[in-house]
Amino acid sequence: QVRLVQSGAEVKKPGASVKVSCKASGYTFSSYGINWVRQAPGQGLEWMGWISVYNGNRRYVPKFQGRVTMTTDTSTSTAYMELRSLRSDDTAVYFCARDRYYYGSGLEALDIWGQGTMVTVSS
Amino acid sequence: EIVLTQSPGTLSLSPGERATLSCRASLSVSNNYLAWYQQKPGQAPRLLIYGASSRATGIPDRFSGSGSGPDFTLIIDRLEPEDFAVYYCQQYGSSPQTFGQGTKVEIE
Repeated sequence: QVRLVQSGAEVKKPGASVKVSCKASGYTFSSYGINWVRQAPGQGLEWMGWISVYNGNRRYVPKFQGRVTMTTDTSTSTAYMELRSLRSDDTAVYFCARDRYYYGSGLEALDIWGQGTMVTVSS
Repeated sequence: EIVLTQSPGTLSLSPGERATLSCRASLSVSNNYLAWYQQKPGQAPRLLIYGASSRATGIPDRFSGSGSGPDFTLIIDRLEPEDFAVYYCQQYGSSPQTFGQGTKVEIE
């Protein structure tokens, strides 16, 4: 079946970087964009950005611009999200999620979600 | 960016009752690109509705979405025990995509 499986929980110190992976299976990876959404403890959902696996186009939310990099590796059907200069308020569960429609432009509903990766930033 | 305001914050209902959830956008949502998600504790969100009114694959027909422009509604007919959860609306008509703050549907 169609699945996104994310890497395990991370604990980082302030100022460090984290790279979360998201491995896809059950569909043609290159045909669908991947989004990254985070959720701070007890809070709502926050869209961070999107990457087209097909052509590498990206959309980043301005507040993360300069700190986030989204990449993909089509040889392993894996997407990555790296967040740098971590702060305590980056503590959250990070989700990857697939565009509902193929060859999208970053403006799509999100139909398949990974299980989430808890990133804790603490000194 | 478009701000989505969901109401009420919490809805206390009994199984079998109807739930009506509202999502209001600060600007008109382009092409009615409005989705609804259900999230249970410790789980990822699940897509229920996209395009304001289209049910996602496998979603029961007791879930229905409606609305246009700035005002959207999710109705859950005949609440089942598994429907008690938090519901989020999302607009994806303009970048950045944004989510509402959520409505919790709890058992009364």
